[in-house]
Amino acid sequence: NAGVTQTPKFRVLKTGQSMTLLCAQDMNHEYMYWYRQDPGMGLRLIHYSVGEGTTAKGEVPDGYNVSRLKKQNFLLGLESAAPSQTSVYFCASRPYGREYKDTQYFGPGTRLTVL
Amino acid sequence: AQRVTQPEKLLSVFKGAPVELKCNYSYSGSPELFWYVQYSRQRLQLLLRHISRESIKGFTADLNKGETSFHLKKPFAQEEDSAMYYCALPYPDSGGGADGLTFGKGTHLIIQP
Repeated sequence: NAGVTQTPKFRVLKTGQSMTLLCAQDMNHEYMYWYRQDPGMGLRLIHYSVGEGTTAKGEVPDGYNVSRLKKQNFLLGLESAAPSQTSVYFCASRPYGREYKDTQYFGPGTRLTVL
Repeated sequence: AQRVTQPEKLLSVFKGAPVELKCNYSYSGSPELFWYVQYSRQRLQLLLRHISRESIKGFTADLNKGETSFHLKKPFAQEEDSAMYYCALPYPDSGGGADGLTFGKGTHLIIQP
């Protein structure tokens, strides 16, 4: 049981390049989230998904797209990377139900640098 | 809008001393608050939630609605408590029940031997 995994762990992009971050979970969780954490800041929600085939915007969605084609995977895409997107990206998942609202399982993070 | 404030970036105390990590919040309605912890080279994980009123690893936190605070306390710090601590609050329910969390900026707790 690997929990939540993220690929890649590190990446350096040039401005304007595109990339996709992959999040996978093997806990059969319904809900999945993408957060970003900038230096000295708390985590901020980018997008989330309540189930396969559904996605919704979080607090800071601009410049990102997401897809949830399979229940276990949640992809975060950057179509045209900008230096302001330099950050550490965390994926999280949790089971269905309001009682699990606080119990998010986090991945190890992806450190992205945009030059 | 909801907001979580952790005023201390860094808190250093000696082993055996009491610890208090501050968290203040703004939220319309009845808040649910949590503390998450990230030990070195480990993932962010839930430490405790206010509704359970339980003690985890000797830590407790009481929700004070009058002061809009949810400070994390431990009477006697241990070296293994050194970590980043984040106070968190759910985003307002979008109706789908899939609340993400708003996190404070975190406090780096260092326990000196």
